[in-house]
Amino acid sequence: DGGITQSPKYLFRKEGQNVTLSCEQNLNHDAMYWYRQDPGQGLRLIYYSQIVNDFQKGDIAEGYSVSREKKESFPLTVTSAQKNPTAFYLCASKVQGGNGYTFGSGTRLTVV
Amino acid sequence: DAKTTQPPSMDCAEGRAANLPCNHSTISGNEYVYWYRQIHSQGPQYIIHGLKNNETNEMASLIITEDRKSSTLILPHATLRDTAVYYCIVSPTGGSTLGRLYFGRGTQLTVWP
Repeated sequence: DGGITQSPKYLFRKEGQNVTLSCEQNLNHDAMYWYRQDPGQGLRLIYYSQIVNDFQKGDIAEGYSVSREKKESFPLTVTSAQKNPTAFYLCASKVQGGNGYTFGSGTRLTVV
Repeated sequence: DAKTTQPPSMDCAEGRAANLPCNHSTISGNEYVYWYRQIHSQGPQYIIHGLKNNETNEMASLIITEDRKSSTLILPHATLRDTAVYYCIVSPTGGSTLGRLYFGRGTQLTVWP
């Protein structure tokens, strides 16, 4: 079945370490997005990519980095520069020009 | 910023219709109204979207007022599995624009037996 896979579902890291969250989709969608969600809050956009080898900062890009070397993959790295990395991270994709986003099941990152 | 206003919480008896309101008074002519829902600790799920006409699918109905400044999502026969946070979002469709989504805090719908 087509969909978006985020892994791992739960991730623990020590403060000061970089960590990379995986997002893979087999929907042949052009655009991919990373959102962050904090408890009781809506989703905030971190980075997005509309085509391979191109991406743009969202509203809260500081302390994060991404790459888009393949259409299917859009990994997110949470760097040590991110002051409050503990959150629920969601990856999404959509067809360019289409309606309706498909979301992954999320990765809950806890930094201790 | 989110361009919509929703009540923070609502509840509904199982089997009854759940009517979730949303205000979007600054909506632009090219912006659609989207509804998503998020069950705890899962990714949001697309429900329905519309521009100006009422829409219905297997999950829900969307009623948009004639001036497009508000809308209502209707779950005709709510079940316990419909308990979730429901997000109303306005956004242009894809194509040349980013088509990004601005998520507010949504409405926590609780369906009780």
